[in-house]
Amino acid sequence: AQSVTQLGSHVSVSEGALVLLRCNYSSSVPPYLFWYVQYPNQGLQLLLKYTTGATLVKGINGFEAEFKKSETSFHLTKPSAHMSDAAEYFCAVSDRATSYDKVIFGPGTSLSVIP
Amino acid sequence: NAGVMQNPRHLVRRRGQEARLRCSPMKGHSHVYWYRQLPEEGLKFMVYLQKENIIDESGMPKERFSAEFPKEGPSILRIQQVVRGDSAAYFCASSPPNQAGGANEQYFGPGTRLTVT
Repeated sequence: AQSVTQLGSHVSVSEGALVLLRCNYSSSVPPYLFWYVQYPNQGLQLLLKYTTGATLVKGINGFEAEFKKSETSFHLTKPSAHMSDAAEYFCAVSDRATSYDKVIFGPGTSLSVIP
Repeated sequence: NAGVMQNPRHLVRRRGQEARLRCSPMKGHSHVYWYRQLPEEGLKFMVYLQKENIIDESGMPKERFSAEFPKEGPSILRIQQVVRGDSAAYFCASSPPNQAGGANEQYFGPGTRLTVT
């Protein structure tokens, strides 16, 4: 069965610094991978997704993620943090063994941006 | 195109009462998913429904919880005889019919925050 781990439940960066949020997955088949962001008291919003093709995926708000099969990783990065990036970030994998898009979420990483 | 709608946004129930959470998917979406989020935790899958059918309820507690997605109207998540442990945020998501060779994005509603007193 698919699973997702996110290293670091809380990450703090200074404004303007690099953002790196880590995600590792386990999957018996080539996965579909997602990053979602959740702002306080809101639902989740898709940042980016990997299905097939190019392993470097660009998303909204300047975020990108790289699928590395050999490392079973899908880390999320942004070159320069902005105050508005403070939120909860969830990595997710689609369980392609099912007949539908069942998505398994990681526990989340809370990102704080320090002025 | 309106997004996924959930109501109420906040719901307070006393122990033993029933909670009904509603979800209207995006226009054209026929797939609905319900998730539960406890404080400091990620989203836990509960149930996946298509119109008039429950496809996967493997994440639903066996007792007190039920879900439906009727032909007309919103999807309903019903919790009977609520207990304090049911206090959580419940999110609904919807997606369009499956597209071959692709992973459909799930569009999330703003959630219903249930508090059991």
